[in-house]
Amino acid sequence: AQSVTQLGSHVSVSEGALVLLRCNYSSSVPPYLFWYVQYPNQGLQLLLKYTSAATLVKGINGFEAEFKKSETSFHLTKPSAHMSDAAEYFCAVSDLGQAGTALIFGKGTTLSVSS
Amino acid sequence: KAGVTQTPRYLIKTRGQQVTLSCSPISGHRSVSWYQQTPGQGLQFLFEYFSETQRNKGNFPGRFSGRQFSNSRSEMNVSTLELGDSALYLCASSLRPPGQGSPEAFFGQGTRLTVV
Repeated sequence: AQSVTQLGSHVSVSEGALVLLRCNYSSSVPPYLFWYVQYPNQGLQLLLKYTSAATLVKGINGFEAEFKKSETSFHLTKPSAHMSDAAEYFCAVSDLGQAGTALIFGKGTTLSVSS
Repeated sequence: KAGVTQTPRYLIKTRGQQVTLSCSPISGHRSVSWYQQTPGQGLQFLFEYFSETQRNKGNFPGRFSGRQFSNSRSEMNVSTLELGDSALYLCASSLRPPGQGSPEAFFGQGTRLTVV
């Protein structure tokens, strides 16, 4: 069964500091991987996706993620945090072999940004 | 282009009642999926519809059901509500049919269901 593990339920950074949110996946075949962001009382917004075209994926709002097959990881980074980045972030996986678009989500990481 | 629209945004129901939630996908999207989000269990897949047919189903009891109409709009129904059904219910739409290419899903703002 597919699974996603997000290390750290809460990450705190200062404004301007590097943001690193960790995600490891379990998949028997190369997966599709996604990062979503959720602001309070809102739905999920897609930040970026990995679909095997390139291992370094650039997304919106300055975020990027690198797919590392050897480490089964897809960590999300941003060079300089902004106050508006404070939100909950979810890593998700969808197996190529699954006959559907069901996403399996990690438990989420809440990012706090202090001034 | 309008995004995924879910109605209502907030709902309060009494235990034992039933509830119907509505989702209008992005224009042109024919795949619609539903997810339940709770603080304890996180985001969990409920089911997915494409061309009015359920293509995929998560591990939820039969009290949870859904359907899709010919215009791709979808509804989900929960019967005999329990306190534990209190959650944010999210709908997502996708352009590609299930199993064909990147399953990029666009989410609505959700319906917050409170069961008292």
